[in-house]
Amino acid sequence: DTAVSQTPKYLVTQMGNDKSIKCEQNLGHDTMYWYKQDSKKFLKIMFSYNNKELIINETVPNRFSPKSPDKAHLNLHINSLELGDSAVYFCASSQDGGQGRQPQHFGDGTRLSIL
Amino acid sequence: SQQGEEDPQALSIQEGENATMNCSYKTSINNLQWYRQNSGRGLVHLILIRSNEREKHSGRLRVTLDTSKKSSSLLITASRAADTASYFCATDPYNQGGKLIFGQGTELSVKP
Repeated sequence: DTAVSQTPKYLVTQMGNDKSIKCEQNLGHDTMYWYKQDSKKFLKIMFSYNNKELIINETVPNRFSPKSPDKAHLNLHINSLELGDSAVYFCASSQDGGQGRQPQHFGDGTRLSIL
Repeated sequence: SQQGEEDPQALSIQEGENATMNCSYKTSINNLQWYRQNSGRGLVHLILIRSNEREKHSGRLRVTLDTSKKSSSLLITASRAADTASYFCATDPYNQGGKLIFGQGTELSVKP
């Protein structure tokens, strides 16, 4: 069984469109994250949620809006997509209240390409 | 500037050789973690070492941490072609609310 699953795996869309990425974890973890990995493989935290509550919100354009309907799901909605949004977006989860003290488990990523 | 920086950026070795990757960081940390990323996949956790620990082992992996030098190393012994991947260190700095800071990784290529 996949522990952290993201959909879709690939997303190709036009500039200006709105898109969503979904993430689900079946590990029973209390914290979930969104990361962005650029073309140079630099991985940066965007958001984290602990038990549906936003605890980390990095300097991310407000076109990006995370939503956590329950602690097993964290979705990412992106409005008015721009060329610079092209990247791989990873979802992750951990069981440490977002304190960074436990390993994080990652999904396989969503490759977003903006045309 | 980045908290974790890996060195070298790329490493190519023959199967059976040992591979050593280094990570340097700038601020005090609670712990440091190493992850592996195979091409087209997500990151997989390898080892977590806490700031009061100096060395940890897991199978063919050995991680050291020197908090006075703000550096860590990951040693893979008797490497295999399947070890080919990117390796990242991630630090949990003090007073950052548990936010992990990742370096840009070392790309390891193990040739059969």
